[in-house]
Order: sequence, then structure tokens, then C-alpha cells
Amino acid sequence: AQKVTQAQTEISVVEKEDVTLDCVYETRDTTYYLFWYKQPPSGELVFLIRRNSFDEQNEISGRYSWNFQKSTSSFNFTITASQVVDSAVYFCALIPGGTSYGKLTFGQGTILTVHP
Amino acid sequence: EAQVTQNPRYLITVTGKKLTVTCSQNMNHEYMSWYRQDPGLGLRQIYYSMNVEVTDKGDVPEGYKVSRKEKRNFPLILESPSPNQTSLYFCASSLSGGLLNTGELFFGEGSRLTVL
Repeated sequence: AQKVTQAQTEISVVEKEDVTLDCVYETRDTTYYLFWYKQPPSGELVFLIRRNSFDEQNEISGRYSWNFQKSTSSFNFTITASQVVDSAVYFCALIPGGTSYGKLTFGQGTILTVHP
Repeated sequence: EAQVTQNPRYLITVTGKKLTVTCSQNMNHEYMSWYRQDPGLGLRQIYYSMNVEVTDKGDVPEGYKVSRKEKRNFPLILESPSPNQTSLYFCASSLSGGLLNTGELFFGEGSRLTVL
């Protein structure tokens, strides 16, 4: 069985601070895919990134960056110079690459509050 | 406009009264899935469907049924709702290959269900 753990239930920062959201996963599959989604206060779910298990390159997109480390089964998400608009619930998720690749598992979510 | 439409958006019902939450997508997606979101538990997958007439259980299928008779529709059926099924429900869709190629899962706006 697969599992995704986001140990940080809530994080509170002041605008312009950097913040890292942790994600640790468990899976028996050698091929899998990891995702991050954002849920702003309005409630919709917004796709942020997808990463293959065989591609450990870090990724940067504007103020967002992702650090994928297979050795520690982690896929952490950093927001640089946070802004109030970054306030949201962030979910990490995993999907196996094998025969049950439709089975998507989310973490519990991290509530991020950015204060002005 | 590409979208996933869920109905109803809000529903209050009583224990044991069968209900159906509809989900429809207009993007010709093969993959569709249902999730429930509960505080502290994140999103948990209920059922998913890789294509017409192909459905499979997610992590929390008990008390729910689904069917996929047409590509665009994936209704969630609660035959005999109970209070522990009070939750926020999301439907989502993606190209089957697209889920792995881009990771983008298109979510509906959510259906808030209360079972008294």
C-alpha cells in the first residue's frame, strides 16, 4: 500500500519569508509519480507540479521550487519570498506507475497562512 | 469551456435516503475519479475509472457505488447514506495518459454533503 505524509499540519509565516512544505511518501512501486496541488480559500484544487520517480532533478518555477530525493522518499516544496496570495492548503500526492496507476493517494495537507 | 461539473453543490439529507452526486466532463477524458475531503485527512480517493465500464476501488469505497456507462459521466451513488459520509466530495478527470504525462487532474468545484 502507498502512503503520503505531510507532517506539518499548519504553517504560519510573514510575507517575504521563505517556507518549505514537507512531503514524505511510501510505495513499493519502482515507478511512480508525485504531485503537488494547491487549494486556495475559494476551494478549487489547482495543479502545481508532477515529478517522475526516475527524474530527480529539482525544479524551479518562479518563486516555487521542488526538491525530490528518492534516498529519503521526500518531495518537498519551497516558496521563496512568500506572498499573502500563497495562503492555501497544499497537498502532496502519489500515483503508482504499475497496473493500478489510477490509484491516487493524497497527503493530509498543510495549511499555509501568509500574514502581511 | 473545459470543465468538470458536479451536482448538487450542496445537499442536506437524512440517513438511509439514497442519493446520487453527478459528475460530468466535457473534455473527452478517459480517467475519472471521486474523492472525499475531511479535515485532517486530506483528500481520499473513493473510486476511479480508467475508461467506460472500467471502475476500481480507491482507499475508501465502503458505502459508495459508481458506474461509468458513458465517457463523460461518472456518478457517485450513496445507497444508504450515514452521518459518517458527511463530507466535501470532489470529482476529477484527466486523459488516462495525461495523468502520467502532465499530472493535471481537472477537479469539479466540490459537493458538500451533510447526512443527518
